[in-house]
Amino acid sequence: EVQLVESGGGLVQPGGSLRLSCVASGFTFSSYTMHWIRQAPGKGLEYVSAISSSGDRTYYVNSVRGRFTISRDNSKNTLFLQMGSLTAEDMAVYYCAREPAFGDLDYWGQGTLVTASS
Amino acid sequence: DVVMTQSPLSLPVTLGQSASISCRSSESLVYSDGNTYLNWFQQRPGQSPRRLIYKVSNRDSGVPDRFSGSGSGTDFTLKISSVEAEDVGVYYCMQGTYWPRTFGQGTKVEIK
Repeated sequence: EVQLVESGGGLVQPGGSLRLSCVASGFTFSSYTMHWIRQAPGKGLEYVSAISSSGDRTYYVNSVRGRFTISRDNSKNTLFLQMGSLTAEDMAVYYCAREPAFGDLDYWGQGTLVTASS
Repeated sequence: DVVMTQSPLSLPVTLGQSASISCRSSESLVYSDGNTYLNWFQQRPGQSPRRLIYKVSNRDSGVPDRFSGSGSGTDFTLKISSVEAEDVGVYYCMQGTYWPRTFGQGTKVEIK
């Protein structure tokens, strides 16, 4: 059974940093491109970033480019998202998702919530 | 970025009746390989998105056959032939032809 389990979310001050993780199981992680998508509370889905199966190619949406870094450790079946210079607009549930083939996303994790601390 | 526009944004339906959701893209979603990368996702309350349809009309295993996808180019439709209570949630279209992938705003399906 394919499973994606995100962690690392929590309270963060504006301007702060956070690293999210997504542990994969039930499939050959190193064979798949992986993605991060986020959803602000009560809002729709917003695409964030992607990384190729080997990790040699990455993509970022304009709003996070230069502040976020996607990476992976295929030996540990884990996807990461290092987030920096966080703003109110970055507060959201972050999902990791698998790309079974070009242009497609099939399995999603349960998400991890990033919220602003006062 | 390719803009995905869904309508309606809210869709109250009677149990057993059909429902249709439109999704239009600002550019043709036909890729250079001839495929059209348009997916539909269902997000039930409090849950993660679940893929229903990929490449316009291919239904995922386990998805009831009352769900169907159609369309081409820039104009796509998700149809639920006979709405059941478990279909309540928000439905999103997503294009996978261009970077960045982009989603429609979502259509909230509720029971009247």
